[in-house]
Amino acid sequence: AQSVAQPEDQVNVAEGNPLTVKCTYSVSGNPYLFWYVQYPNRGLQFLLKYITGDNLVKGSYGFEAEFNKSQTSFHLKKPSALVSDSALYFCAAGGGATNKLIFGTGTLLAVQP
Amino acid sequence: EAQVTQNPRYLITVTGKKLTVTCSQNMNHEYMSWYRQDPGLGLRQIYYSMNVEVTDKGDVPEGYKVSRKEKRNFPLILESPSPNQTSLYFCASSSYTSGINTGELFFGEGSRLTVL
Repeated sequence: AQSVAQPEDQVNVAEGNPLTVKCTYSVSGNPYLFWYVQYPNRGLQFLLKYITGDNLVKGSYGFEAEFNKSQTSFHLKKPSALVSDSALYFCAAGGGATNKLIFGTGTLLAVQP
Repeated sequence: EAQVTQNPRYLITVTGKKLTVTCSQNMNHEYMSWYRQDPGLGLRQIYYSMNVEVTDKGDVPEGYKVSRKEKRNFPLILESPSPNQTSLYFCASSSYTSGINTGELFFGEGSRLTVL
């Protein structure tokens, strides 16, 4: 069965420091991988996706993610965190024979000034 | 403006009183889906629809119904709500490419439902 794991419930980082939010997946066949962000009292917003091609994907707001097939990971990164990046981040995976997108449980990113 | 609109945004109801949460999108998307978000469980899919008159169960369909009579609308129906359906609900839509849903999802703002 497909699954997505976000091992950290919360990530704390100081403003200006690099950040990483981790995601691992289990999908049969070639995976389609996504990151979404949710600000308080808002719906989820698309950040970036990996379908095929370059393993480093660049997305909105300076975020990027690296697809690592051997480690089945798709970690979200940003070189320099902003306080305004504080939000709930969801990794999602789809692919194989299914039309479903499976979401992880979310990671709360807290950026301290 | 491209958007997914859900109503109501907040609702408190009582056990057994039928309710409908509406969802409408203006992007001509084929794919629409309902999710519920619960602490520690992330987003779980309730039902989805690949196109008009085509719906299918997600991971947690029990206690819910949907319909897709028009492309833009995908209402979620709770025939007899129970307290375990207290949750935050999201509708989402996406374009549909080559039989595999690789398009990004556009989400509504959410509907917070409390069942007493």
